[in-house]
Amino acid sequence: GQQLNQSPQSMFIQEGEDVSMNCTSSSIFNTWLWYKQDPGEGPVLLIALYKAGELTSNGRLTAQFGITRKDSFLNISASIPSDVGIYFCAGMPGGSYIPTFGRGTSLIVHP
Amino acid sequence: KAGVTQTPRYLIKTRGQQVTLSCSPISGHRSVSWYQQTPGQGLQFLFEYFSETQRNKGNFPGRFSGRQFSNSRSEMNVSTLELGDSALYLCASSLIGTDEGLFFGSGTQLSVL
Repeated sequence: GQQLNQSPQSMFIQEGEDVSMNCTSSSIFNTWLWYKQDPGEGPVLLIALYKAGELTSNGRLTAQFGITRKDSFLNISASIPSDVGIYFCAGMPGGSYIPTFGRGTSLIVHP
Repeated sequence: KAGVTQTPRYLIKTRGQQVTLSCSPISGHRSVSWYQQTPGQGLQFLFEYFSETQRNKGNFPGRFSGRQFSNSRSEMNVSTLELGDSALYLCASSLIGTDEGLFFGSGTQLSVL
């Protein structure tokens, strides 16, 4: 099925660094979602975005809904070891409640 | 309130067998979706049920089936298991009429030997 282009595929950073990842699509979405998955667990919703240009924060996490409605960005500031995991973006077109997921960004934080 | 509950947590089967996985959604959620997650393919949508009816279906063979009961609990079944069916199977529930996203369970890790 259709998938989003999520990058980077993996990141290895030092504790305290900021992190940026993004998703792009050839299709327009009405909703962008960002999830985090810890090893052996299901994805957990971090941030939901509903409007083009919207910037939403959740603690050290900030996500943006791209103006073109075809992309979204997630930033993590001052990373800590518990930020380790796989981050997924997901987009939902209008009239659908079935998200299309990116392939994920694997984040490793070195203490 | 309690989250999405999936059972069993781990399962080992052999080729040719069949398997049934169970999912209890968050109380009040009427939509249940199933996803297959593998390292190579990421999260692949299997199907979505609402009010005991399959409303959406992904691109999987007919060996993959599911159902939803009147209390919104859902099961998925995979018949004639193949080695490539080894994966983490995730169930997610959501409120219908909102786009707040899916809430996932911890998954069932299926290994086919």
